[in-house]
Amino acid sequence: NAGVTQTPKFQVLKTGQSMTLQCAQDMNHEYMSWYRQDPGMGLRLIHYSVGAGITDQGEVPNGYNVSRSTTEDFPLRLLSAAPSQTSVYFCASSYSQNNSPLHFGNGTRLTVT
Amino acid sequence: GQQVMQIPQYQHVQEGEDFTTYCNSSTTLSNIQWYKQRPGGHPVFLIQLVKSGEVKKQKRLTFQFGEAKKNSSLHITATQTTDVGTYFCAVYNFNKFYFGSGTKLNVKP
Repeated sequence: NAGVTQTPKFQVLKTGQSMTLQCAQDMNHEYMSWYRQDPGMGLRLIHYSVGAGITDQGEVPNGYNVSRSTTEDFPLRLLSAAPSQTSVYFCASSYSQNNSPLHFGNGTRLTVT
Repeated sequence: GQQVMQIPQYQHVQEGEDFTTYCNSSTTLSNIQWYKQRPGGHPVFLIQLVKSGEVKKQKRLTFQFGEAKKNSSLHITATQTTDVGTYFCAVYNFNKFYFGSGTKLNVKP
């Protein structure tokens, strides 16, 4: 099993550009989520989904959109990149929303100049 | 949102010394999970605690959940260089996971 696959691994954007971070899992997990990791701040939840067709906001949703058209895929869209969005982004999935352990992807390191 | 405070932020130990990180909440927790992130890597699930006063062991790692379910600790006995990384606690509440800020462990050989 590939687990949780994130692409790209690295990305540099200019302020105002848009892009999509891809996340796919092959474990038939219902729950998927996106986090950003900044030094000294742990992992902060951006958006999450408890199943196909259902998404909701996390702690820091502004500037990001998500969709969940299939169980496997949960892309994260940056609408108009800002330097404050420079971070490491992790996608994570779990079997169900009932506090099952999270399985993380390898992360995407994003720099916005 | 759910607040969970984690201390210390950094810990430098000599190989063979013990290490402990703590997570504290002002509210009663239904559960707590622990994750380890190696340098340059992604968080990896270690364990979940759900019961008051629960103690679980994984080789040299001991995890505890407080009697009031407001705090938890991870203790590593006789650290090794393979223990280097950042340790996070996480709590689950209403479909959301809230992570502590992490404790970065450095082990000097």
